[in-house]
Amino acid sequence: GENVEQHPSTLSVQEGDSAVIKCTYSDSASNYFPWYKQELGKRPQLIIDIRSNVGEKKDQRIAVTLNKTAKHFSLHITETQPEDSAVYFCAASKGQAGTALIFGKGTTLSVSS
Amino acid sequence: NAGVTQTPKFQVLKTGQSMTLQCAQDMNHNSMYWYRQDPGMGLRLIYYSASEGTTDKGEVPNGYNVSRLNKREFSLRLESAAPSQTSVYFCASSAELTTGNTIYFGEGSWLTVV
Repeated sequence: GENVEQHPSTLSVQEGDSAVIKCTYSDSASNYFPWYKQELGKRPQLIIDIRSNVGEKKDQRIAVTLNKTAKHFSLHITETQPEDSAVYFCAASKGQAGTALIFGKGTTLSVSS
Repeated sequence: NAGVTQTPKFQVLKTGQSMTLQCAQDMNHNSMYWYRQDPGMGLRLIYYSASEGTTDKGEVPNGYNVSRLNKREFSLRLESAAPSQTSVYFCASSAELTTGNTIYFGEGSWLTVV
């Protein structure tokens, strides 16, 4: 089955710096890669996603890149703010019957002001 | 429109006791999921239901059973709770299992087994 590795497990940055979180996946048939943000004590919520027919996607200060050949994808957050502090999860899915979204172990991002 | 609602929010069980976590969604979604979240382990899929009438095992199904009662409801049962099942449980749903359908999570159920 699918296996998703996520690095780093913790990341500390200064406000205004950029943050990058990387994930690799094992199943070359995976074609959907969302990123979820989870604030302390809250539920995970989707922040951005990318499909395998796209190499990069941006939404204001966040962007995701995908390298299908290397089977890895990354989340980029620019101009970080204290409210970006949270746990971020990457995930991968083939989107077929018999499969579901598999998550990485998460990255705890701390943004200090 | 409440989204995904799960109960109870907090529960303490003794080893060997049984309990059922309830989940309901009001978004007319076909697919529903149960994940557990443990420190350093991320979100691990326990069971999922691609559509009403079907259920499938996820990454960590041992010790759990599920029931897709109808399109709205998907319950998770612990028949004989063990301390290793102490976790935060999230129910979730999506329109379909297919690519690109956003998964919406419930608020979580904090379960402690002593």
